[in-house]
Order: sequence, then structure tokens, then C-alpha cells
Amino acid sequence: DAKTTQPPSMDCAEGRAANLPCNHSTISGNEYVYWYRQIHSQGPQYIIHGLKNNETNEMASLIITEDRKSSTLILPHATLRDTAVYYCIVRVPFLSGAGSYQLTFGKGTKLSVIP
Amino acid sequence: DAGVIQSPRHEVTEMGQEVTLRCKPISGHDYLFWYRQTMMRGLELLIYFNNNVPIDDSGMPEDRFSAKMPNASFSTLKIQPSEPRDSAVYFCASSLDSFGAVVTDTQYFGPGTRLTVL
Repeated sequence: DAKTTQPPSMDCAEGRAANLPCNHSTISGNEYVYWYRQIHSQGPQYIIHGLKNNETNEMASLIITEDRKSSTLILPHATLRDTAVYYCIVRVPFLSGAGSYQLTFGKGTKLSVIP
Repeated sequence: DAGVIQSPRHEVTEMGQEVTLRCKPISGHDYLFWYRQTMMRGLELLIYFNNNVPIDDSGMPEDRFSAKMPNASFSTLKIQPSEPRDSAVYFCASSLDSFGAVVTDTQYFGPGTRLTVL
């Protein structure tokens, strides 16, 4: 799986958009970008994933650059409950036939939402 | 949906004792995973099952660890005998096999069991 680089920490004012960057310059063509988060003392939570097109769901938006070497997770209106460590993971989905179920979490970005 | 359920949430035991962790996956999910999380090593996949059958146990640290899935709604992870270095948070996750154009293997995690071995 490709290596990812994320800032260790970020602050965001409550109600504002939180933009979390991730660099994955060595991503290969069949690797997807996944985002998970882990709120203190809870299990990791899936947020969103994408291959090359921008994606949006009820939790967040994922913007992937055209060259796929970086991406940004956007929480449009951050709340205090969004305070967590956010992990960007680049991997080949297992069901594509060539991947592994292992989720390799790096150190992630600790997002603090401030009142 | 109740999500993935794990019990107990906290377990404190003494070295040498047997420990059993339990997991109930999301109904209808056909993959089940056991992970261990420590500060030093991060999140490690220990073993996973597909349709109750163990598929890959290469992450199981040693013979003291064993996992079973007797039916689609229950799995156990057993450590016998336990050692202080087994202290960690153990997560169970489940996933639904997906077919068709949308490729996803999203894993849904339980709240974890915090194990402390004294």
C-alpha cells in the first residue's frame, strides 16, 4: 500500500469547514483513498473513500487531485463531536482481487474542534 | 442497527489467566475481523473470517491466541495464557461482501475491549 503523509494536528472553529489534507504521491492506479476517524476510546469509523472522482456523502466530501497524488477530506460544518484522529489510507480494495483486508493506519491528523 | 457489539468493554486479569473476548458482527455481514491496537504498534489485523471460516490468521502473534466463529453472529478471541504484553485494545470489525460495479470493503468497527494483564 502507498505511504501517506498527514499533518499531525489541526484546529478548526466549530461551525466552520475542516479541511484535512493527505499526500500520497506514490499511489498506484488501482489504489483507492479511504478515510477513517477514531474518536477517543472508540473504534475506528469509516468516513468515505474514492478512486479519482470527488465523492460526497452525509458525513464528508473527498476531493482528489487530478494526478491523484493528494486529497482533502472536508467536513463542511465541524462540530465538537468531530474532534478525533483522522486517518488517510491508500489501499487496493480486497474485492478487486489484488488487495488485502489489512487497514494500515498511520499516525493520522488529530483534529480539535474549538467552540 | 446496533452495530458491532463487543464484550466485555474492559477486562483486567492476571498473568497466566485465560481471557475470552466476544464479538457479535452486524447482521448479514459475512466478513469478521479481529484487530489489536497499541501505542507502539498501532492497529494490527490478527485474523479474519469469511462466512465463519478463518481465512488469514497470519497476524495472530503466537499460539497463545486463538479465534473461533461458531456461527454467523458470534466470534471469540481467546488468549491462554495471557501475558502483560497482551495488554491492548482489541477491536472486532465486520464487513459486507459487495458485488458489481461499486468496489468497497468498508469495515465497521465495534467499541473495542480494553485488556489489561497485570
